[in-house]
Amino acid sequence: QQQVKQSPQSLIVQKGGIPIINCAYENTAFDYFPWYQQFPGKGPALLIAIRPDVSEKKEGRFTISFNKSAKQFSLHIMDSQPGDSATYFCAASPFGNEKLTFGTGTRLTIIP
Amino acid sequence: SAVISQKPSRDICQRGTSLTIQCQVDSQVTMMFWYRQQPGQSLTLIATANQGSEATYESGFVIDKFPISRPNLTFSTLTVSNLSPEDSSIYLCSVDVTGMGGEQYFGPGTRLTVT
Repeated sequence: QQQVKQSPQSLIVQKGGIPIINCAYENTAFDYFPWYQQFPGKGPALLIAIRPDVSEKKEGRFTISFNKSAKQFSLHIMDSQPGDSATYFCAASPFGNEKLTFGTGTRLTIIP
Repeated sequence: SAVISQKPSRDICQRGTSLTIQCQVDSQVTMMFWYRQQPGQSLTLIATANQGSEATYESGFVIDKFPISRPNLTFSTLTVSNLSPEDSSIYLCSVDVTGMGGEQYFGPGTRLTVT
């Protein structure tokens, strides 16, 4: 019940396209859903996060869509650039609990 | 956010020895965490380190193998003891700057190779 399932495992998109990465969870106690971006040799960087009281959040070219009834959330990257090529992790944590459960990661490649 | 540094950035250690990893943050934080990330894999939480109390370990991780110190609100160490090749991994510390759960910032990681 603590799992966060992430798909796809890898994704190749042309520059300017909109890659979409999906995550699903089972634990209804989860109430914080961040996305992390990780470049090779670096630690994960917090990209954007959402709580279940909203269905969408945008920060720059990054958008989280959240579907509480389906227990799914996704990351969209608008006008993708080669510099967005990285591994992306979704995560979730329950209310009042600091522990993050991470998805398995998506290796995104943006080709020029 | 927070600026987090880790030392060493990488090390190669012999089987049976130990490695101590340091994590320093530029502001006082209550919650610090230690993760393991095997190459190409996701992150697995090892333990939560609160200042002034014993670390809380996740299932599959024990204090004898991964002793943790948290002497103050800006610093923590993780020791990986009695090293075996299976311990080869990236070790990351993170901090929760809000104290409210969830919003964690990560250090750059320490890449450990055990020969």
